[in-house]
Amino acid sequence: NAGVTQTPKFQVLKTGQSMTLQCAQDMNHEYMSWYRQDPGMGLRLIHYSVGAGITDQGEVPNGYNVSRSTTEDFPLRLLSAAPSQTSVYFCASSNSPLEQYFGPGTRLTVT
Amino acid sequence: GENVEQHPSTLSVQEGDSAVIKCTYSDSASNYFPWYKQELGKRPQLIIDIRSNVGEKKDQRIAVTLNKTAKHFSLHITETQPEDSAVYFCAAIETSYDKVIFGPGTSLSVIP
Repeated sequence: NAGVTQTPKFQVLKTGQSMTLQCAQDMNHEYMSWYRQDPGMGLRLIHYSVGAGITDQGEVPNGYNVSRSTTEDFPLRLLSAAPSQTSVYFCASSNSPLEQYFGPGTRLTVT
Repeated sequence: GENVEQHPSTLSVQEGDSAVIKCTYSDSASNYFPWYKQELGKRPQLIIDIRSNVGEKKDQRIAVTLNKTAKHFSLHITETQPEDSAVYFCAAIETSYDKVIFGPGTSLSVIP
């Protein structure tokens, strides 16, 4: 099993550009989520999904969109990148919100 | 919504000493409290968790205690080793809500 994979590992965007962060898992987990990690602020929940076709907002959803068309994939879209979205993004999956398995992260810089 | 506070933000201990990290939560309905460890440049990994019907749980050198009345829970690491150096995150979850809210993290340094 590859577990939870994320692409790309690093990305630099210019303000106003859009992009999609990819997340995939091969553990048949129903629950998937996206977090951003900023120094001193821990892991903040952006969006989450409890199954294919179902998504909901977390703590900091503004500026991000998600969709869940399959159990395996949960992409995160930045609509119009802003410097405030510079962060490390982690995707996680689990059978419930309980024990989550995190991906390796994507380091995003917006200039 | 749930709010999780965590103290201290940084902690340095001598190798072999104990380390204690404390978290408080705001939603009395929260019923599951995991702890994650994140080594430098790596992903967070679950190290221990506790449910609201249990007051204490141990796993070798780590233990977690929960005080539901006071709405706080703590991570205890005994006989610390350099490999315990990492950032530790607590979280609180009300399992029917599906949202996982993390604390801001504690950076633990174990000095050899």
